[in-house]
Formats: sequence, C-alpha cells, structure tokens
Amino acid sequence: QITLKESGPTLVKPTQTLTLTCTFSGFSLSTSGVGVGWIRQPPGKALEWLALIYWNDDKRYSPSLKSRLTITKDTSKNQVVLTMTNMDPVDTATYYCAHRPLMGSSTFDYWGQGTLVTVSS
Amino acid sequence: DIQMTQSPSTLSASVGDRVTITCRASQSISSWLAWYQQKPGKAPKLLIYKASSLESGVPSRFSGSGSGTEFTLTISSLQPDDFATYYCQQYNSFWTFGQGTKVEIK
Repeated sequence: QITLKESGPTLVKPTQTLTLTCTFSGFSLSTSGVGVGWIRQPPGKALEWLALIYWNDDKRYSPSLKSRLTITKDTSKNQVVLTMTNMDPVDTATYYCAHRPLMGSSTFDYWGQGTLVTVSS
Repeated sequence: DIQMTQSPSTLSASVGDRVTITCRASQSISSWLAWYQQKPGKAPKLLIYKASSLESGVPSRFSGSGSGTEFTLTISSLQPDDFATYYCQQYNSFWTFGQGTKVEIK
C-alpha cells in the first residue's frame, strides 16, 4: 500500500525559505522509472505542479518557479525534500507530494493529504 | 508552456444526469492527459489516464476520450458522490492542470 505524507512549517514569513518533507512508504525511489512530485493549491484555486524527482536523481522544475525551487531525495529514509526560497504571501497554499509510477498511468496516482502553508508576517 | 483550458467552470446537474466536461490543450499532447476528482479538503483522486484508461477502482460510469488538443470526461449517470471539482492534467511536457470544473447540485 502506497502512502505519502507531507510535513513542514505551517507558517513562514515573507522572504524566508520553505522546506517541506515528503515521507513515503509502499514503494522505493530507487526503482527504475518511479518519481515523486510536488503540487500546490492556493485556497480556492487550481492545482499547480512545482517539481518532480526521478529514481535516477533526474529533476524537473516548473519553468515559472525554477529559480526558487530545489528538490532532493534521501532513498534510505524514503523521503523527498522541496525547498522554496523567497516566500511571498501569494505562495500561501496547500502543498501536496505525489507518486509517479513507471507503469500504468505514468502520472500522479497516489497523493499525500497535503499540508497548508501560510505566508504572513 | 502548455496551457490547459476546461469548460465549463461550473456545471449544475442532477443525480442521474449525463455530464460532460471538456479540456483543451494549447498544443498537441497526444493522449498524455489525466482527469482527477477533488472534494473539499481532500487530495485529488486519479480517475482517468492516457486520455481514456480508467484507473483501478474507479467506477465505470466515468469515461474519457480525445487526443491531440481536445478531450472530454463523461459521467454517464451522475451519482451523489460525484459532486466535486474535476481537473484535467497534461503530462506530455512537464505537468499542467486545467483551472477546474465544479460539478454542483442543480
């Protein structure tokens, strides 16, 4: 059974750096083709993909946020970490991590419950 | 960047209705399209992938069609559990979501 869970601060100040951790179980990020992505959703708005890391450490970033994002993985801990620099109130959102399989859908099939991050001074 | 446009933004329907949601891509994405259902306070749930493949465990009243730039999600007979917001997502080049379609009770 695949599960993912996001953790990190619920409140950050403008200009600060956000660090979120996705802890997962039920799959290995050393399995060929597998990836873990981050997606966010501002309150009442649509979903926005942020970043994805593959089993081979290949990384993809949203072009509009690339300069502010870093995604890393710790395969031994079953964790993926996303950092976002220079946070702004418009970055207030629920942040999700999700599993991307090799076979089948090849897109996000299992999602974490999400964590709400508020950016405010 | 590939842009995804859904229509309508809101849809009012009754239980038992046939419902169709449309998604248009700004350029061809072949069949690399997924549909998600999201309920308030919950994570999105994958319904359809590769435009027309039903995710395991998803009721057969959900179906998807299309290729290239035009796609549809159809719910053949709307059930009470189906009132939610639906998002299309392309994964031909990175990942982009549509703005969502809220299906509400008429």
